[in-house]
Amino acid sequence: GAVVSQHPSWVICKSGTSVKIECRSLDFQATTMFWYRQFPKQSLMLMATSNEGSKATYEQGVEKDKFLINHASLTLSTLTVTSAHPEDSSFYICSARLLSGRNEKLFFGSGTQLSVL
Amino acid sequence: QQQVKQSPQSLIVQKGGISIINCAYENTAFDYFPWYQQFPGKGPALLIAIRPDVSEKKEGRFTISFNKSAKQFSLHIMDSQPGDSATYFCAASMRVGNEKLTFGTGTRLTIIP
Repeated sequence: GAVVSQHPSWVICKSGTSVKIECRSLDFQATTMFWYRQFPKQSLMLMATSNEGSKATYEQGVEKDKFLINHASLTLSTLTVTSAHPEDSSFYICSARLLSGRNEKLFFGSGTQLSVL
Repeated sequence: QQQVKQSPQSLIVQKGGISIINCAYENTAFDYFPWYQQFPGKGPALLIAIRPDVSEKKEGRFTISFNKSAKQFSLHIMDSQPGDSATYFCAASMRVGNEKLTFGTGTRLTIIP
C-alpha cells in the first residue's frame, strides 16, 4: 500500500519552545492531509484538514495560532506546535488521502509522540 | 449525530476463535466505513472498508458485516491469532465533499494462546 512517512517519531522539548512535525506521502501526491491527536487509550481526534496551497481548516476548539499547519507541496504537510506546554504532550498522527478513480483511501503516518517538560 | 459508537471497549479471545467488534452510527449521510488496526506507538493501518451498497465484504480472515437499516456494522476476525492483538477502530465518513473520518472509541483486542 501507499506509504506516509512522519518525522520525528518522538520528541522531547522544553516548555515554551516550538516543535515541527513533518508528514510526507512517499509514493503518491496528496492534495489533502489530516492531523489527529490521540491521548493514551483513546480514539483519534481530528485537529485540522490540510489542503495543498491553501489555509488549513481547523476543527472546533483547536487553536490555529498554536497548531500551525503548512501544506506547501503535494507530498508534504507540517504541523508546528508553538510555545508548547505540558498539556500539549500527546501522540500526533497525520494521514494523507489517496484518490484512485472513484476510490479513496486514507493512509496514516506512524505518529509522533510529543513530550513537553 | 457525528458520533460512531464502538463496543466492546476491550475483548479477549482464545487463539483460533472469532473476534467480533461492533459499531453503530447515527448520520445516514455516512457512506464509507473503514476499519483500522493500531499497534502501540504506531499510526492506524487500514484493514478493510465497506460502502453501504453491499452487506458484507471479506478479505482473508477479516469480514465486515453491514446493516444499513440498523445503521450498524461489525468486524469479524476469523481464526484469531496472537498477532491480531491490537486496538481496532471503526470509522465513518461522507465521501462527497467531506472526507473527514469520524472514529469510534476503539477496542483493545487480546488473543490468548
